[in-house]
Amino acid sequence: NAGVIQTPRHKVTGKGQEATLWCEPISGHSAVFWYRQTIVQGLEFLTYFRNQAPIDDSGMPKERFSAQMPNQSHSTLKIQSTQPQDSAVYLCASSHNANTEVFFGKGTRLTVV
Amino acid sequence: QQQVRQSSQSLTVWEGETAILNCSYENSAFDYFPWYQQFPGEGPALLIAIRSVSDKKEDGRFTIFFNKREKNLSLHIKDSQPGDSATYFCAASGAGGYKVVFGSGTRLLVSP
Repeated sequence: NAGVIQTPRHKVTGKGQEATLWCEPISGHSAVFWYRQTIVQGLEFLTYFRNQAPIDDSGMPKERFSAQMPNQSHSTLKIQSTQPQDSAVYLCASSHNANTEVFFGKGTRLTVV
Repeated sequence: QQQVRQSSQSLTVWEGETAILNCSYENSAFDYFPWYQQFPGEGPALLIAIRSVSDKKEDGRFTIFFNKREKNLSLHIKDSQPGDSATYFCAASGAGGYKVVFGSGTRLLVSP
């Protein structure tokens, strides 16, 4: 079991460019989460899917951010027209059931220059 | 509105002491409270968790004390070791809920 896999580990984009972050959850897990981590804001919930369906995207900035889960083996977080304030570590996580352990990937460090 | 609050951003203890990390929450519907440990360059990993029907959960050197009436809990790390130096997140989720809400984290430094 390789755990939750996130690629790339580091990404540098120029201001205004698009960034796509990839996540492969643990096989068999029904829920997939995206969080953003910064020094100032800590761990912020962005969105989650259950059985590939979007359930709660209350943490997603309304513009420029979108997440998809086209199949049970991967999810993507896309940021259009990236801005310096989008610089953060983006963490993907998955869990098997409600109120059980959430397993995190190592994150993608996004730097917008 | 922060639903889960950790009172200290950082905490320093000496090796061998007991580190106490405090957490409070607002939502009475929360009934599952995990603590996650994060080392630099890694994602958070589950350390220990408690459900609201219990007031104490122990796992080796780690103990959670839970007070449902006061809506607070604490993580005690006995005999702290330098290897325990990490950021600790208190978290919570509700009945049947998948979404986990995290506190802002406490960075623990254990000095030898």
